[in-house]
Order: sequence, then structure tokens, then C-alpha cells
Amino acid sequence: QTVVTQEPSLTVSPGGTVTLTCASSTGAVTSGHYPNWFQQKPGQAPRALIYTTSNIHPWTPARFSGSLLGGRAALILSGVQPEDEADYYCLLHYDGVWVFGGGTKLTVL
Amino acid sequence: QITLKESGPTLVKPTQTLTLTCTFSGFSLSTSGVAVGWIRQPPGKALEWLALLYGNDDKRYSPSLKGRVTITKDTATNQVVLTMTNMDPVDTATYYCAHRLNSAFDIWGQGTMVTVSS
Repeated sequence: QTVVTQEPSLTVSPGGTVTLTCASSTGAVTSGHYPNWFQQKPGQAPRALIYTTSNIHPWTPARFSGSLLGGRAALILSGVQPEDEADYYCLLHYDGVWVFGGGTKLTVL
Repeated sequence: QITLKESGPTLVKPTQTLTLTCTFSGFSLSTSGVAVGWIRQPPGKALEWLALLYGNDDKRYSPSLKGRVTITKDTATNQVVLTMTNMDPVDTATYYCAHRLNSAFDIWGQGTMVTVSS
């Protein structure tokens, strides 16, 4: 069974930069996995941030970006704001099937 | 404006079958590249992708749940239905449906909480 792994937790200072990553048990993550990234705050539905590695949705703040980094998908937050404190999930595609990562709890402190 | 809303029972008994409905507006499943997916999240745990349905009736299922889950559509009423058999307390979760265009899951419903308990 395919496993997608994210950092369980990260802490960043306001105004700082943080990189969240998403690794696949099958090997390097590529654009063919069409990485999606989501933000979820307590009691809310997930909100889409990034699709197909690096494309942002119209509502995604400019401080969020996506890329491939060292065989993983990456979500980069630059100029972190207090409201960015949330859980972040990646989603990868495997031959018609999709698999979520375990999520990263981002603390802004 | 695309919207999706999940509906169904809030409580089911173990071994029962769960039926959830996703009612959507603002898009057509007949549009190329469009699909509707189901995702769930147990309390305090991670998201889990369950199933996906395309307008041409092509379906994809999570291997871990294959055999228990069925996804269908009613084009006339703009609804996508998820059926899950043999429910167990571990299936207690918030169930979401989401719009997918090409490779982007962009718009999600608010979710519906389902508890499995006798």
C-alpha cells in the first residue's frame, strides 16, 4: 500500500519562511503525481492552495508556492502570517487513485 | 459559483450500509475533465481519499476500501452518491465531497459527520 509522508509538525516565526514536504513510498515525487496542497483550520473543511505541483488557485495568497524539491513535493510559505497556523495536507495521484499525506501541523510562534 | 453539500445520516449502527449524497451546483459532470470525489476524516486524524466519479461514469476507488464503497451519479438531480457497506466504528468520520477539474481538487463541501455506534 502506497504511503505518503509529511512532517508531523513544524514551527515557524511570524515573517519567516518554512518548507513543508511530501514524500512517496514508491520513490521520487514527480509532476506526474499532480501534487495538490490543502490547508485546514480547526472545525473547517480543507481549502485548496496548490494544484499540479505549483499552480495556485485564485484565492491562494501569494506567500504560498509549490515546487518539487529533492524528490519530494514542497509547499513553501514565505512571510508567514499568524493566520497560517493550520494543518496542511498533500495529495498525490497514482494511476487513477489518489493518496493523502498524514498532514503537517504548522505552528506560528 | 461552484458549491457542493453533503447530506445523509449522522448515526449508523455497526454492519449497516451508509448512503451519503453530494448535491452540487455551478458545474456539469458532463464537462470534460470534471469529476466529483469523496474524502473522509476521522476525528483528530488525517484526510483519506475514498472514491472519484467522472462524467462518463468512470470510477476510481481507494484500494483499502475497494469492495465496500460504491460511487454513483444522478445527472438529472446533480447528485453523486457514496455507499459504504458493513460500517464499523472506525468509519466514524467527517465525510466530504469535492469538485475536481483536471488534476485539481478545488472546491469542497462543508462535510457531514457520521458516527458509527450501536
